[in-house]
Amino acid sequence: ETGVTQSPTHLIKTRGQQVTLRCSSQSGHNTVSWYQQALGQGPQFIFQYYREEENGRGNFPPRFSGLQFPNYSSELNVNALELDDSALYLCASSGFPMGGEQFFGPGTRLTVL
Amino acid sequence: GQQVMQIPQYQHVQEGEDFTTYCNSSTTLSNIQWYKQRPGGHPVFLIQLVKSGEVKKQKRLTFQFGEAKKNSSLHITATQTTDVGTYFCAGGVSGTYKYIFGTGTRLKVLA
Repeated sequence: ETGVTQSPTHLIKTRGQQVTLRCSSQSGHNTVSWYQQALGQGPQFIFQYYREEENGRGNFPPRFSGLQFPNYSSELNVNALELDDSALYLCASSGFPMGGEQFFGPGTRLTVL
Repeated sequence: GQQVMQIPQYQHVQEGEDFTTYCNSSTTLSNIQWYKQRPGGHPVFLIQLVKSGEVKKQKRLTFQFGEAKKNSSLHITATQTTDVGTYFCAGGVSGTYKYIFGTGTRLKVLA
């Protein structure tokens, strides 16, 4: 196991609601990246946080936002949920922002009804 | 936009046969990573390649990074049932902290 934890494991929401997903990074890692993985597809980069600052963003709308805390844990917030937001949300921690092994957590399965 | 494609999408092999998946990027990459994801699991890092033309081996797995840093391959020799899963490449976008994952190749190994 990687030491990266995510909560909750599963979540069911209805369209229009808001959700917060949490990730605890591996000890010693200061970088957390968030990915969305739809069924049968590869993970898509949402954004990365490095030392509490957003460090880069993929092609996701502003209703996807995040935070990183002084202990390097992180949150992903999604507002105004849409049906297409149903996916596995993965966080990955690494020791530095560019390059290097990414340690993925088990993911949060979000279902939007 | 920038894309990373993988072929084949699926591969079924008999145990003991070899397997290769290919990864192609529309643009030059800073580096490439390979991950394995078991059914119901999360991606697990296998390796990172940085240099043009780089070749790395891990037991039965051989990884290559193309000379132009736009393509890569993973070759597994003599597959075993434990090799089952989806293999993803992830290309590092030059000048950014972003990784673009490929479409993945799902490998099934028949005993």
